[in-house]
Amino acid sequence: QLQLQESGPGLVKTSETLSLTCNVSGGSISSSSYYWGWIRQPPGKGLEWIATISYSGNTYYKSSLKSRVTISVDTSKNQFSLKLSTVTAADTAVYYCACRRNNGRAFDIWGQGTMVTVSS
Amino acid sequence: DIQMTQSPSSVSVSVGDRVTITCRASQDISSWLAWYQQKPGKAPKLLIYAASSLQSGVPSRFSGSGSGTDFTLTISSLQPEDFATYYCQQANSFPVTFGGGTRVEIK
Repeated sequence: QLQLQESGPGLVKTSETLSLTCNVSGGSISSSSYYWGWIRQPPGKGLEWIATISYSGNTYYKSSLKSRVTISVDTSKNQFSLKLSTVTAADTAVYYCACRRNNGRAFDIWGQGTMVTVSS
Repeated sequence: DIQMTQSPSSVSVSVGDRVTITCRASQDISSWLAWYQQKPGKAPKLLIYAASSLQSGVPSRFSGSGSGTDFTLTISSLQPEDFATYYCQQANSFPVTFGGGTRVEIK
């Protein structure tokens, strides 16, 4: 079955770019009607959606992060990625990748999450 | 952006109790609402999509209702494994937004 796994550095320096990858297994990232997304959760806080990319390549971003965020797909590696530039301590969070497959537009498959700490 | 307001923020209940969590959207989202359960240190798990459709493998004690701006998640008889935090999420339009969460604790 479809599985997702995040990877990337656990520590990023202030003002640098956070780069994460989500490896997709058990299915194709090019599957029609699938949407791929990133959600984060600061320590002790709630869920915050960051970005989504559709099977056709359309991208959607959280308004307040739009100037710093890029989501992309690499079909040759069956993975998708997140880049968040000019990070601060406020970007410290567990970052989840997720997939929206169903007609209900909900994220029904999630990765286990990866903790990213931003520090100088 | 559509704001999602959950209530209560936390609730203390006993095993076997009926639990109701509400979620209100700042504008009409039709039935495009999902509910997730999250346990400490784990990724969220989809419970309900399209306001009232039970995700495959989720116990039938979980149910969802509502449309427009007001939605409800009900757990008919709380089990020990149900102690967790629950989030609603609107799926009507981008940007996607989540509610602030409801923590279900043991009384």
